[in-house]
Amino acid sequence: DTEVTQTPKHLVMGMTNKKSLKCEQHMGHRAMYWYKQKAKKPPELMFVYSYEKLSINESVPSRFSPECPNSSLLNLHLHALQPEDSALYLCASSQDQWEPGADTQYFGPGTRLTVL
Amino acid sequence: GIQVEQSPPDLILQEGANSTLRCNFSDSVNNLQWFHQNPWGQLINLFYIPSGTKQNGRLSATTVATERYSLLYISSSQTTDSGVYFCAVEGGGADGLTFGKGTHLIIQP
Repeated sequence: DTEVTQTPKHLVMGMTNKKSLKCEQHMGHRAMYWYKQKAKKPPELMFVYSYEKLSINESVPSRFSPECPNSSLLNLHLHALQPEDSALYLCASSQDQWEPGADTQYFGPGTRLTVL
Repeated sequence: GIQVEQSPPDLILQEGANSTLRCNFSDSVNNLQWFHQNPWGQLINLFYIPSGTKQNGRLSATTVATERYSLLYISSSQTTDSGVYFCAVEGGGADGLTFGKGTHLIIQP
């Protein structure tokens, strides 16, 4: 089973709201990722959680904050977002970030976020 | 960081036609994946292929790592093949995938 689940599927929020996106995998993968995809653009990496260590794309603003409660879950907390943050947010996981072959990434269906 | 270029950006074909999609990358890679993104946004894994050749049904892929390119072949196209095809790579730093801009494929009946 190579399934990554994401909730919610759709989210509409105001600029003053606080919300969270959830990503879950039960494949025993040790690395999880958040990507952001704007309309008609490719996905762009935001964060990597691997072996309990967080790597951040330095261009990601602080209004996005990831949290990894356990090895199967990866949340993305959203606060004071801007309309330009409206996008498809994709979560992915891989068995291992470092071993060739084990670094194949599997993607969830995404959360489509609209910021009003 | 690694640069990824895909060609062509758009491709319109009749059902039953064959196609070749290209991906060029600027540096050595540990990971290269081809994805198909459906109209609902789901990224579907097609191939993990940092080097060599693989085949899966009507699809096949070849990566020539020494020349820094990969090709995705689609034979006997069907309308369900329509969508965006992405090539994505990861270098030795293991810092997540870098995606090309994609090829938008439309298969007409």
